[in-house]
Amino acid sequence: GAGVSQSPRYKVAKRGQDVALRCDPISGHVSLFWYQQALGQGPEFLTYFQNEAQLDKSGLPSDRFFAERPEGSVSTLKIQRTQQEDSAVYLCASSLQETQYFGPGTRLLVL
Amino acid sequence: GESVGLHLPTLSVQEGDNSIINCAYSNSASDYFIWYKQESGKGPQFIIDIRSNMDKRQGQRVTVLLNKTVKHLSLQIAATQPGDSAVYFCAENKYGGFQKLVFGTGTRLLVSP
Repeated sequence: GAGVSQSPRYKVAKRGQDVALRCDPISGHVSLFWYQQALGQGPEFLTYFQNEAQLDKSGLPSDRFFAERPEGSVSTLKIQRTQQEDSAVYLCASSLQETQYFGPGTRLLVL
Repeated sequence: GESVGLHLPTLSVQEGDNSIINCAYSNSASDYFIWYKQESGKGPQFIIDIRSNMDKRQGQRVTVLLNKTVKHLSLQIAATQPGDSAVYFCAENKYGGFQKLVFGTGTRLLVSP
């Protein structure tokens, strides 16, 4: 079956631009997570949804980061006024119970 | 602070050898641990998990050992193959209720033919 998909796979943005990253979770998965992965590091938690409810956004680094999942399926992570330090791979994961399944990530480069 | 870390950043082995990747965790309240494999340009791929009420779990060619006394986790890969070359992360669930995973920095496994 289809796994978690993310788009775009690569995004180059000029500093100050807004970007939107999309995640399509595995069908039927209630939980959806966003992680940020810096080069050479492990993923770091950003935010978590259960269906359409955002239950934890404690990992979002600033108020420039915003995530939504309006219909409890597809999710979008938006970064406003991008900064160079936002350059990273953004991973989405979904789960039905405990095991989280990850997408391929979106590699964001802010110039 | 609390973290999930790894002792060895890079592990080089010969094809056919057994590999052992280690991980230390600091939160004794963690009750769920997972190993992920990440190949270049891909997302983390689930390998095996273990709950804190177990000390060993086996999968296909992989075994995870959990030592709660010293807060240590290891992943054993039998008969390592070139396709096993990747970065391996351990992760723990520090906060019950939902699976907010905390990852370590990873160990790179290099398998030579």
